[in-house]
Amino acid sequence: AQKITQTQPGMFVQEKEAVTLDCTYDTSDPSYGLFWYKQPSSGEMIFLIYQGSYDQQNATEGRYSLNFQKARKSANLVISASQLGDSAMYFCAMREHSSASKIIFGSGTRLSIRP
Amino acid sequence: GAGVSQSPSNKVTEKGKDVELRCDPISGHTALYWYRQSLGQGLEFLIYFQGNSAPDKSGLPSDRFSAERTGGSVSTLTIQRTQQEDSAVYLCASSPYEGNSPLHFGNGTRLTVT
Repeated sequence: AQKITQTQPGMFVQEKEAVTLDCTYDTSDPSYGLFWYKQPSSGEMIFLIYQGSYDQQNATEGRYSLNFQKARKSANLVISASQLGDSAMYFCAMREHSSASKIIFGSGTRLSIRP
Repeated sequence: GAGVSQSPSNKVTEKGKDVELRCDPISGHTALYWYRQSLGQGLEFLIYFQGNSAPDKSGLPSDRFSAERTGGSVSTLTIQRTQQEDSAVYLCASSPYEGNSPLHFGNGTRLTVT
């Protein structure tokens, strides 16, 4: 069964520093996708970045990059040069492709940026 | 274009009453998902539709919960005989039927059972 684990319930980071949010997953499907979402206090869910299991390179989107370590089954989100607006909940999610099944989410990490 | 639309945005109901939550996905999106999010918690998967069929209902918490989707578009999540523990934000999301397509979320329905 697919499973997503985020072990950091909360993190505090100084503005302009880089931050890494951890995500580990478990699946027996060789083909899968990993997603990161941001949820500000307003409640909306904002898609940040995607990594496919067969992608050769780590995904990057602006200040967001994904440190994908397939053998360790980890997909950590790296935010460079953090900004006050980055304060939010961050969720890691996974979809197994073979069964086109549900997308499951981790429990989230609350990131707070200090000025 | 229009995003995922959910209604109502807020619903307060008395314990024991039935409620219906509506989701209007992005046009052309064949996949539709319902999630539940309790205060400060993660997203709990409820049900997933591909077209009008629901290949995965494994997340529905009890037989008081049901969902349907008609015309491959609008979906309704029904909760019968609501309980206080049903209070949460119910999020709907849609995506094209492609493996790397992200989910597009609505703004949710905040359900409060008194």
